[in-house]
Amino acid sequence: SQQGEEDPQALSIQEGENATMNCSYKTSINNLQWYRQNSGRGLVHLILIRSNEREKHSGRLRVTLDTSKKSSSLLITASRAADTASYFCATLKLDSNYQLIWGAGTKLIIKP
Amino acid sequence: EPEVTQTPSHQVTQMGQEVILRCVPISNHLYFYWYRQILGQKVEFLVSFYNNEISEKSEIFDDQFSVERPDGSNFTLKIRSTKLEDSAMYFCASSYARYQHFGDGTRLSIL
Repeated sequence: SQQGEEDPQALSIQEGENATMNCSYKTSINNLQWYRQNSGRGLVHLILIRSNEREKHSGRLRVTLDTSKKSSSLLITASRAADTASYFCATLKLDSNYQLIWGAGTKLIIKP
Repeated sequence: EPEVTQTPSHQVTQMGQEVILRCVPISNHLYFYWYRQILGQKVEFLVSFYNNEISEKSEIFDDQFSVERPDGSNFTLKIRSTKLEDSAMYFCASSYARYQHFGDGTRLSIL
C-alpha cells in the first residue's frame, strides 16, 4: 500500500507536555496532510505540508517532512485536555487528484 | 463556520436491504467524496464526485454502491443490497480546492 504506519499507535501524556506523532509513507508525494478525529466525530483538517517544505507551523502545531526518509512528524506543544483525539496523516494517491490514503492513526490521550 | 452535515447519525439495517446515506456538503464546494472507516481500521476512500459525475472510485466501490446529487444541496450514497461487512462509519467530505471538509459520519450497522 502507499501508506505506511503512524507511531506510536497510542500515546498518553500529562497536560502541558509536548506530544510527538510520526507518520511514514512509501511512495513519492506532492503533499502530506494531518487530520484530527475526536471520538465519534468527523475528521478535521489540521495542516498540509508540501513536498518542497521541511517544516510548517500552525499555532501549537509543528509539522516536519523528511522526503528522503519518507516520514513526517506532528508535534503538539503545551498539550491540553482538548487535544485528546486520534491523529491521522494522509497523502494523495499517486496519479489521483482526489483519493486520500490514510494512515492507521495515533490515539492521543492528555491526562489532566 | 460552514459544516458538512450527515444524516442519519446511526443507521441500523437488515442484511440485504438497501440503505441511503445522506450528506449536505458545504454550499460553495465543488468536489464531493465518500469514505468509510471499519471499526479499528484505516479510513478508506470510496468515491469522488465532480460536475455531476464520478471522478474517481476505489476497488471497494463496486456495483452495489452508487452516488447521486439529486438537487443542489444533497449528496447521497446508496448501498443496494447490504452485507455484514458494510458495517462501518461512512464519512462524507467536500472541498472547494485542496482541503477536504468532513462530516461527523453515519454509523451503519448491518444485522
